[in-house]
Amino acid sequence: QSALTQPASVSGSPGQSITISCTGTSRDVGAYNYVSWYQQHPGKAPKLMIYEVSKRPSGLSNRFSGSKSGNTASLTISGLQPEDEADYYCNSFTSTNTWVFGGGTKLTVL
Amino acid sequence: EDLLVESGGGLVQPGGSLRLSCAASGFTLSGYWMHWVRQAPGKGLVWVSRINSDGSSTTYADSVKGRFTISRDNSKNTLYLQMNSLRDEDTAVYYCLKSGNYRFDSWGQGTLVTVSS
Repeated sequence: QSALTQPASVSGSPGQSITISCTGTSRDVGAYNYVSWYQQHPGKAPKLMIYEVSKRPSGLSNRFSGSKSGNTASLTISGLQPEDEADYYCNSFTSTNTWVFGGGTKLTVL
Repeated sequence: EDLLVESGGGLVQPGGSLRLSCAASGFTLSGYWMHWVRQAPGKGLVWVSRINSDGSSTTYADSVKGRFTISRDNSKNTLYLQMNSLRDEDTAVYYCLKSGNYRFDSWGQGTLVTVSS
């Protein structure tokens, strides 16, 4: 049950696009299309942003998108806004019928 | 709107026990799998445990297997986490989550568990 690998931090200027990667193995990210992404602002509970690799919950901005290739999933945020500054976590279902999170990525909007 | 409210956190000595509760409202608990996820201070999210809709199936992270027990009382719309043999490294905010098709749709605000002598 090793954590999925995410970059510790990414940054971008308002209006730009950034991508956060999430690398797992053939027993989790590579095996299932059950990758989801969560946004967490300081002191707040996480919020679902993307599920099943690329689907957005109802009402969520289309600036957020997800994809997957092999054992690596990605979250892209386009048209960066100051309120996007937060921690982002990926999550995957695994072959042992458990779930695993990534270590988290701190997004800074410059 | 879904509402999940955790309670039962607090300070406990190493080796002690604690039971967390999660009261659900705005939806019928019996229709959903539920999970617990924790977050140590300043650290990332860690999945802890999951229970299916009727409570007949559970799974646990290796780090808590044999020490923690997840359960539910659908008649009371409440989820539980019994934590025994607590260790320093169990110190964290514990979140209760509503699950939909392998994703975590709704989160509570969390309850802080501190294991310290």
